[in-house]
Amino acid sequence: QVTLRESGPALVKPTQTLTLTCTFSGFSLSTNGMCVSWIRQPPGKALEWLALIDWDDDKYYNTSLKTRLTISRDTSENQVVLTMTNMDPVDTATYFCARIDLHTVGIHYWGQGALVTVSS
Amino acid sequence: EVVLTQSPATLSLSPGERATLSCRASQSISIFLAWYRQKPGQAPRLLISDASNRATGIPARFSGSGSGTDFTLTISSLEPEDFAIYYCQQRSTWPFLTFGGGTKVEIK
Repeated sequence: QVTLRESGPALVKPTQTLTLTCTFSGFSLSTNGMCVSWIRQPPGKALEWLALIDWDDDKYYNTSLKTRLTISRDTSENQVVLTMTNMDPVDTATYFCARIDLHTVGIHYWGQGALVTVSS
Repeated sequence: EVVLTQSPATLSLSPGERATLSCRASQSISIFLAWYRQKPGQAPRLLISDASNRATGIPARFSGSGSGTDFTLTISSLEPEDFAIYYCQQRSTWPFLTFGGGTKVEIK
């Protein structure tokens, strides 16, 4: 059974760095074709893809946010970490992690999401 | 970047009616398109992959069609749980994914 769970602070101040952890089970990120992505959704708005890390430890970022994002993995702990620097109130959103399979167009497995509010 | 435009923004229908949702890509994406349903406070749920393949456990009232730049999600007869927001997503530009702006299906 595949599960993913996001964890991190619910509130951050402007200019601070956000660190979110995705803890997953039921698959290995070392398996060919397996990837984990971060996707966010501001309240009442659409989904936005942020970053992806693949089975080969290659990393990819949304071009408009690339300078602020870092994605990394701890394969032994089955965790993927996303850091986003210089947080702003417009970054207030629910942050989802999801498992992505290279061989499948759609995303079958999502975490439940973590709401992060940016406010002083 | 591939931009996905969904229409209409809101669809007002009654239970039992047919819903037709559109997703248009700014460039050809072949059949690399998926559809999701999202209920309030939940993560999106995959409905359709590869433009027309229903995901496991998805009822037959959901169907997808299209290729290239124009795609359609059809719900043949709306059930109460179908009143939600629907998103399309492309992965033609792997690994850079993009989502559409969403269509809200509301009760008339």
